[in-house]
Amino acid sequence: DGGITQSPKYLFRKEGQNVTLSCEQNLNHDAMYWYRQDPGQGLRLIYYSQIVNDFQKGDIAEGYSVSREKKESFPLTVTSAQKNPTAFYLCASSTLPGRHSSYNEQFFGPGTRLTVL
Amino acid sequence: AQTVTQSQPEMSVQEAETVTLSCTYDTSESDYYLFWYKQPPSRQMILVIRQEAYKQQNATENRFSVNFQKAAKSFSLKISDSQLGDAAMYFCAYMYLTGNQFYFGTGTSLTVIP
Repeated sequence: DGGITQSPKYLFRKEGQNVTLSCEQNLNHDAMYWYRQDPGQGLRLIYYSQIVNDFQKGDIAEGYSVSREKKESFPLTVTSAQKNPTAFYLCASSTLPGRHSSYNEQFFGPGTRLTVL
Repeated sequence: AQTVTQSQPEMSVQEAETVTLSCTYDTSESDYYLFWYKQPPSRQMILVIRQEAYKQQNATENRFSVNFQKAAKSFSLKISDSQLGDAAMYFCAYMYLTGNQFYFGTGTSLTVIP
């Protein structure tokens, strides 16, 4: 079955630790995205990537880092520099935007809930 | 700047009734797509319906339909014959064809009353 997987589902971090959230897709999508979701704030874009070995900052990239070494994988690292990392994190993927792209829809993973202890 | 506004943080509807969720957006682009996503308690984001801006006809998907008013930059979602399974957070989203991002509203929490 094609889809997006995120792991772990729940993650607990101590103050000062870096943690990495996994995102894998087997949809053959070029573009991948990381969002942060907080109550009342919708989805805010952290980073996105349209091609391997290239990625761009979104609206709230400070304190986060990503890599895109393989088309299928787009891991997100939450560093100790992120002041308030407790949130729900969603990964998404899509074809590149275009008139004939597959309806330009974003497909989402099940999310990771990160809690700082 | 691209912005998406959902002015109704919470809505409720009686089972089997109809409800309309509002969404407005701000853009200077002429070629774009609009979406409604549903996020149930499982928190899995599910696409409900999409609308291409160049199409004048409003999109429909079974009990879900949109009222797309391009000049007014309005994109409301109508849910007919509401069911208990429709209870969820609904997000309006926008992307323009030459861009590379989605822009999401803050969401509307829909409660369905039995």
